[in-house]
Amino acid sequence: EAGVAQSPRYKIIEKRQSVAFWCNPISGHATLYWYQQILGQGPKLLIQFQNNGVVDDSQLPKDRFSAERLKGVDSTLKIQPAKLEDSAVYLCASTGGGSYNEQFFGPGTRLTVL
Amino acid sequence: SQQGEEDPQALSIQEGENATMNCSYKTSINNLQWYRQNSGRGLVHLILIRSNEREKHSGRLRVTLDTSKKSSSLLITASRAADTASYFCATVEADSWGKLQFGAGTQVVVTP
Repeated sequence: EAGVAQSPRYKIIEKRQSVAFWCNPISGHATLYWYQQILGQGPKLLIQFQNNGVVDDSQLPKDRFSAERLKGVDSTLKIQPAKLEDSAVYLCASTGGGSYNEQFFGPGTRLTVL
Repeated sequence: SQQGEEDPQALSIQEGENATMNCSYKTSINNLQWYRQNSGRGLVHLILIRSNEREKHSGRLRVTLDTSKKSSSLLITASRAADTASYFCATVEADSWGKLQFGAGTQVVVTP
């Protein structure tokens, strides 16, 4: 079974530029999550999708971050404009649904904002 | 803000020794999960314990949960160099659609 795919793996940008990350979850997984992991910290949930609907985006900085999952499969997370404090690893995860299911994580995208 | 707090922040042991790390959390939970993260395999689920369970085993892993104290522990027995990683506890609250709230993690180094 293929895992969660993410691209790119690494990205370096200047502050105020924009950047987009892509995630392809495990086939059939209805729930998709984006997490931000700052160095030395645990992952923090940014947004959660159930199929193509947003379930929780309470911690998403909506003035600069946006995410979509148009067909209930792939998802894109965008930052515009980026700030220095956005430097982090962005993790995508998926699950078949329910509170008792483990989440499967992708390898992440390491973003450096200069 | 992060829900769980792991203790210790870092742990260094030799192969064959046991490693114990603790997690405390703040709110009522539906379940608690432990994940491992290393550079080679990313973030991987280890074990899930439900709020009505007190102890669970999986291979060399033993997890306990005390909901009255809002705490959990993870024990790795007979550690191996390959167990070197960061370990995170993550809680799931009721009616949260499975949303994970992670702690800051415990860095474990196992020396051959």
